[in-house]
Amino acid sequence: NAGVTQTPKFQVLKTGQSMTLQCAQDMNHNSMYWYRQDPGMGLRLIYYSASEGTTDKGEVPNGYNVSRLNKREFSLRLESAAPSQTSVYFCASSPSGKHTGELFFGEGSRLTVL
Amino acid sequence: GENVEQHPSTLSVQEGDSAVIKCTYSDSASNYFPWYKQELGKRPQLIIDIRSNVGEKKDQRIAVTLNKTAKHFSLHITETQPEDSAVYFCAASRGTYKYIFGTGTRLKVLA
Repeated sequence: NAGVTQTPKFQVLKTGQSMTLQCAQDMNHNSMYWYRQDPGMGLRLIYYSASEGTTDKGEVPNGYNVSRLNKREFSLRLESAAPSQTSVYFCASSPSGKHTGELFFGEGSRLTVL
Repeated sequence: GENVEQHPSTLSVQEGDSAVIKCTYSDSASNYFPWYKQELGKRPQLIIDIRSNVGEKKDQRIAVTLNKTAKHFSLHITETQPEDSAVYFCAASRGTYKYIFGTGTRLKVLA
C-alpha cells in the first residue's frame, strides 16, 4: 500500500519556467490537498479538492493552478515559476466519514526556482 | 483572518522530562485540533487529535488538552525520549477541509 505518492521529489527551475507536480493516492480518499512548507511558516494550504470534480483556493493560491484528474490524482501546476515559490510542497489526502480529519501526507517535493 | 499561534518555537528538555507545546486559535467555530510530528526530512504524521466536544485526550505518553473558552489547546509529552525529537505542528479546522497550521515547535530531547 503506497499511500500518497508525489513526483518529482526534487526539481530546479529557472524563473518563468512552468512545471506540474503530480500526486496520487491509493487509499480511496475523497479529499486531497496541496501545501507548501517554508522555514518558520508552518504548512500553508495552496488548494484543496473536497471531492472529485471540485477544487477550492486555500491560503496562498496565487501563482498556482490545480486539477483533480480523478479520485486518485490531484496535480499542482506552476505556470510561470518565481523565486518566491521555492519551497517544499506536500500533497495530502483525507478520508470521509468517521475518520474525517486526519491528513495523510506524501513525502514532499523540494522545488528550487533560480 | 483565521490564525493559529504556536509557542515556543524551540524547546529543549532533558530525557525523561515533560514537554508542553501551546497553541491558540482565532476562529471560534474551529472544532477539530490535530497535532502532527515531522522528523527531519520526513513527512508530517498525525500523532493525536481532539474534537471540540472533548476537553482532554491521552494516548500513552502523549496528551492533548483543549480550552474552548480561552481558545487554546496544548500538547503534553511525558517521559520524553530521544526519538521524540522532531518538529511538532498544531492545527485548527472548522470543518474537515481547511486546516490552519501553527508555525511549528522544534523539540530537542537531550540524552
